[in-house]
Formats: sequence, structure tokens, C-alpha cells
Amino acid sequence: AQSVAQPEDQVNVAEGNPLTVKCTYSVSGNPYLFWYVQYPNRGLQFLLKYITGDNLVKGSYGFEAEFNKSQTSFHLKKPSALVSDSALYFCAGSPPMDSNYQLIWGAGTKLIIKP
Amino acid sequence: DSGVTQTPKHLITATGQRVTLRCSPRSGDLSVYWYQQSLDQGLQFLIQYYNGEERAKGNILERFSAQQFPDLHSELNLSSLELGDSALYFCASSVGNSIAATQYFGPGTRLTVL
Repeated sequence: AQSVAQPEDQVNVAEGNPLTVKCTYSVSGNPYLFWYVQYPNRGLQFLLKYITGDNLVKGSYGFEAEFNKSQTSFHLKKPSALVSDSALYFCAGSPPMDSNYQLIWGAGTKLIIKP
Repeated sequence: DSGVTQTPKHLITATGQRVTLRCSPRSGDLSVYWYQQSLDQGLQFLIQYYNGEERAKGNILERFSAQQFPDLHSELNLSSLELGDSALYFCASSVGNSIAATQYFGPGTRLTVL
């Protein structure tokens, strides 16, 4: 079965330090991959996506992610964390020609940035 | 603000009742998606409509149904409600029906079943 995994339920980072939120996938072909963020009591907001091309994708709010085919990963990164980055982060993916037309979602990672 | 609107924001009802959740997509978007987010099951895809037609079906219960109207707004109907249906229900929209299209999410409807 195809899947997207976020191996960490929670990540704690000190403000100003670099942050990484991990995502691995088991999806056929060259997958489409997405990162979304959810702030408390809000809907999900799109951060970035990989469809094709450059493996390093830059997104909103200074976030970036690198598509690594050999490691089947799409980790989200930011060089310097802000307290306001504290939120729930979701990774999602899909095979490029998925007949079900639906994304496969990770379980989410809670990111806590401490001042 | 994503441009996707959902009403109502909160809904409290009793077991066995029926409710309707409403979603208006972003201007120009033809696809509407419905998701359920509960504490123990994360984000679950329910159903997608594209330009009025059902496009994809996920883990949607038979007690739930949805439709997309000619003006592209969508409604999710939940009937014979159970305590376990208490959750956040999100609507998202995208411009096309490609899986590569970015989905933009509404603020959600919080359903509480007592």
C-alpha cells in the first residue's frame, strides 16, 4: 500500500536554530509531494510542493524542502526557526497518475519553537 | 485568508440528527474536496467533486453524502449522527482536477455531537 509517513509526532526547536520536519514516502513513480501547515483553530495552509524539476523547493515563510529519491524523503527545513512557526505540519503525496485522484496524508508533526 | 469559505463555524447537535455543512470555493476553482479531521485519525479524505461531478471517493461513510451545485458551492450532508462523528470538517478547493493542483483549505466547521 502506498503511504506517507511523518516519523516524529513532535519536534522541539529553540528559536533561531534550524528546524527539520521529516517526511518519507512509499509512493510509486515520481511522486507529487506537498507540505501544509495548520495553526491552532485554523485550516491548512499550503507551504510548498514538488511536482518535477529542481529537487530543492522553496516555499512560503522561508521554508524549503528537498526531494530525495534515493532516500524517499521530502523533509521540510528552515534555517532559523521563529516562535510563530509553532504549528502542526502535514506532508502529503500522490503517484503522478493516481486514478483515485486523492492525496495520501501523513499523520502530522507538531512543531514547537521555544523562545 | 485562502478564499474558501465554510459555514457554519461551529455546530452542536445530538446523536441521530442530520446536519448540512456548506462550502464556497475560491473564485475560479472547479474542484471541491471534503476532509474530516479528528484527534485520533488525523486528516481523512472524504470526497472530491469537479465541476459538479463526483471525481474521487475516500473513506466516506454511507451516512454521509455530498454534492456540488451549478454555482460550484458544495454541501456535505451528515445523517444519523454518532458521537464519533464529532470532528473538524474541512473543505478545500483547487483550480483543476489534477492531483498536482494545490488545494486551498477553508477554516473548517467544528461539529460536536452530544
